[in-house]
Amino acid sequence: GQSLEQPSEVTAVEGAIVQINCTYQTSGFYGLSWYQQHDGGAPTFLSYNALDGLEETGRFSSFLSRSDSYGYLLLQELQMKDSASYFCAVRDLNQAGTALIFGKGTTLSVSS
Amino acid sequence: DSGVTQTPKHLITATGQRVTLRCSPRSGDLSVYWYQQSLDQGLQFLIQYYNGEERAKGNILERFSAQQFPDLHSELNLSSLELGDSALYFCASSARQGARDTGELFFGEGSRLTVL
Repeated sequence: GQSLEQPSEVTAVEGAIVQINCTYQTSGFYGLSWYQQHDGGAPTFLSYNALDGLEETGRFSSFLSRSDSYGYLLLQELQMKDSASYFCAVRDLNQAGTALIFGKGTTLSVSS
Repeated sequence: DSGVTQTPKHLITATGQRVTLRCSPRSGDLSVYWYQQSLDQGLQFLIQYYNGEERAKGNILERFSAQQFPDLHSELNLSSLELGDSALYFCASSARQGARDTGELFFGEGSRLTVL
């Protein structure tokens, strides 16, 4: 089967940098996605890594190492509005479709 | 606004009842996905439809069923409801024809179901 592991909680202060790690186990691999979800809201797409290396989008970056089955989301210049849950996800390759399997999520709390 | 519309936003019902959740995907998207999110759980994949046909099944209970109609909207039917079915149910869409796969799903705001 497929599984993803990520820390359940991370805390940081405004202006800091935080890294949320994700390790995955899957028989095949099609890319690692990251999503943000504010309390009770819709998950929103942040980034996608299909190849090794760093992808940067503004204050957020995502990294992938396929050989280590590992990726991380890096959030810089943290703001209070970044307090949310962050999910890593991989393609469900056990199925013919294109559904994503999500990790249990990391709750990020940013304090002033 | 993701462009995915879900109704109703909130629903309260009793055990043993049946409810239908509705989803309109983003204009042009052919795939619809249903996910369940309980308080202490992440996003659990239930089922996917692509252009009217079932494409993939996840952890969907036999009491639950779904379909996608010719206009591409989808409905998730939950029957013989139990207390444990209380959750946020999200619909997501993707797959405009010709679009590059970027691992991005567009989620609706969800339907919060409370079973009493």
